Amino acid sequence: GIQVEQSPPDLILQEGANSTLRCNFSDSVNNLQWFHQNPWGQLINLFYIPSGTKQNGRLSATTVATERYSLLYISSSQTTDSGVYFCAVYNQGGKLIFGQGTELSVKP
Amino acid sequence: EPEVTQTPSHQVTQMGQEVILRCVPISNHLYFYWYRQILGQKVEFLVSFYNNEISEKSEIFDDQFSVERPDGSNFTLKIRSTKLEDSAMYFCASSGTIGTQYFGPGTRLTVL
Repeated sequence: GIQVEQSPPDLILQEGANSTLRCNFSDSVNNLQWFHQNPWGQLINLFYIPSGTKQNGRLSATTVATERYSLLYISSSQTTDSGVYFCAVYNQGGKLIFGQGTELSVKP
Repeated sequence: EPEVTQTPSHQVTQMGQEVILRCVPISNHLYFYWYRQILGQKVEFLVSFYNNEISEKSEIFDDQFSVERPDGSNFTLKIRSTKLEDSAMYFCASSGTIGTQYFGPGTRLTVL
């Protein structure tokens, strides 16, 4: 089956710093989604991004489907950005296959 | 903004007991999913449901698990005889097409 790998596994930032999270996947996929899991365990949709670049405030994402990777950029990080960021890809049937996540901690 | 809701938020049960986790998907969505996340691990797919039947299920989704859409709004996951290893966060998700899935807040299941 499709493998999804995320890097780095852990990241500690000072408030105001920028970061890039990476997601590699092992096979062609139809679509890809980024989530933020907050400290209460909720999964929040960030981007649905099969290809190209999207931006939403301080966050942006780029997927290069032909090279099987996606990047999530966080600029001017805030303590509320802390949590786990998951990348997940869709198989042909529509189920999501998640990576292991990147745990981000933003220090004040 | 429409959202997926789940009840209860936390369920504690004894090993061997049956539990039913409830979800109300977004009202005009047609595709429904259950996922689970064991503490500290990644989110894993359990089952997808479309047109009143299971579309796909994972190896985890064995005979102890079942899903049902008993009416036009609810979507339930039943675990017949819970085991310790069923302790996890269970997420329901829905989508209008095979596309963006919207997740509920989860039910934390603790099996003692």
